[in-house]
Amino acid sequence: EVQLVESGGVVIQPGGSLRLTCAASGFTFKDYTVHWVRQAPGKGLEWVSLFSWDGVTTYYADSVKDRFTISRDNSKNSLYLQMNSLRTEDTAIYYCVKEDTPKVDYYGMDVWGQGTTVTVSS
Amino acid sequence: QSVLTQPPSASGLPGQRVAISCSGSSSNIGPNFVYWYQQLPGMAPKLLIYKNNQRPSGVPDRFSGSKSGTSASLAISGLRSEDEAVYYCAVWDDSLSGPRVFGGGTHLTVL
Repeated sequence: EVQLVESGGVVIQPGGSLRLTCAASGFTFKDYTVHWVRQAPGKGLEWVSLFSWDGVTTYYADSVKDRFTISRDNSKNSLYLQMNSLRTEDTAIYYCVKEDTPKVDYYGMDVWGQGTTVTVSS
Repeated sequence: QSVLTQPPSASGLPGQRVAISCSGSSSNIGPNFVYWYQQLPGMAPKLLIYKNNQRPSGVPDRFSGSKSGTSASLAISGLRSEDEAVYYCAVWDDSLSGPRVFGGGTHLTVL
């Protein structure tokens, strides 16, 4: 069974830093592009970042560019999101999501994790 | 404000058919695959339709997707109470720095 399990969400003060982790299992992790998507309380889905399957491409939403860094460790089947200079508007559930097609940069996402909650508040 | 436009709400009676639209442009829906997700209250989103009109295994054939030009549509036939959820369309946009954009979501109410 394909599974994505996020961890690392906490309550943190504005300006702080945090690293989220996504542990993947049940598929060949190195062959898939993976994404972070977030959802603020009571709001819709917002794509945050992706790391391509071949390690060549990373993309970020404008709202997190220069503050967040995505990385992956294929030997550990893990995806990470380093979040710096956190703002109150970064408060959200953060989901780890995989691409549906192997060895492509981006067509669409299929499997979602259960999410981890980040709350930025003083 | 999303580049994909969905109606904020839709409704129907049990057994009816409802359609949810997703309007985009020549830089997103036009050239790219459309995906649809269902989000039940308190749950993570779930893939409903991929590559415009394909259903993952386990998704009932009451759900169908279509695309024409720069618009897409999700249809749900034989509406059931458990279909009450928020539905999102998503597509790659070639004009943006980020590859995946979501519609604002449509809250479906089963009356």
